[in-house]
Amino acid sequence: DTGVSQDPRHKITKRGQNVTFRCDPISEHNRLYWYRQTLGQGPEFLTYFQNEAQLEKSRLLSDRFSAERPKGSFSTLEIQRTEQGDSAMYLCASSFTEGAGDTQYFGPGTRLTVL
Amino acid sequence: AQSVTQLDSQVPVFEEAPVELRCNYSSSVSVYLFWYVQYPNQGLQLLLKYLSGSTLVESINGFEAEFNKSQTSFHLRKPSVHISDTAEYFCAVSGTSYGKLTFGQGTILTVHP
Repeated sequence: DTGVSQDPRHKITKRGQNVTFRCDPISEHNRLYWYRQTLGQGPEFLTYFQNEAQLEKSRLLSDRFSAERPKGSFSTLEIQRTEQGDSAMYLCASSFTEGAGDTQYFGPGTRLTVL
Repeated sequence: AQSVTQLDSQVPVFEEAPVELRCNYSSSVSVYLFWYVQYPNQGLQLLLKYLSGSTLVESINGFEAEFNKSQTSFHLRKPSVHISDTAEYFCAVSGTSYGKLTFGQGTILTVHP
């Protein structure tokens, strides 16, 4: 068990560029979550996958954001036409279904800075 | 919908002193409650959680939290803190079948020698 990994750990981009982040969950974890954390705040839910199906998206996830989880393994989060307000830490978490209340294991995050 | 309020953004304390980090939640449905900890330069880790049963839950490193339904609280306590407990602590709730977490704003605990 190597834990949840995220790549890259840091990304600096210019406003208007597209960026893509990758998350590799713990193997055999069927649930995968994306959260966003800004300075001084707790993480905020963005979206959730059960296997390859994206079952919920937050209102925070504008049309510029898209997430995928092909084959129910790794996941990608893409942000198109980045804005300065997108600067944040993007966290990925995974869990194995135990019903509600399952423990989510978090990755180290990808810190995005939009100039 | 759920919401979480952590009443203290920063808590400074001396080593070996007791500490309480306060958390209140709001929900229209039954909830599960969590405390996560983030040590400097590390990712979020689960500290403890309440799902059902005994309202007092404990972690392996001496923290405990008590679920109080009438006061909608889940305060975190430790009778004697160590320097190594310095971290940011997040209270979170889940009220859905798939475990989406709603977090509080976080409390930075700083333990001074």
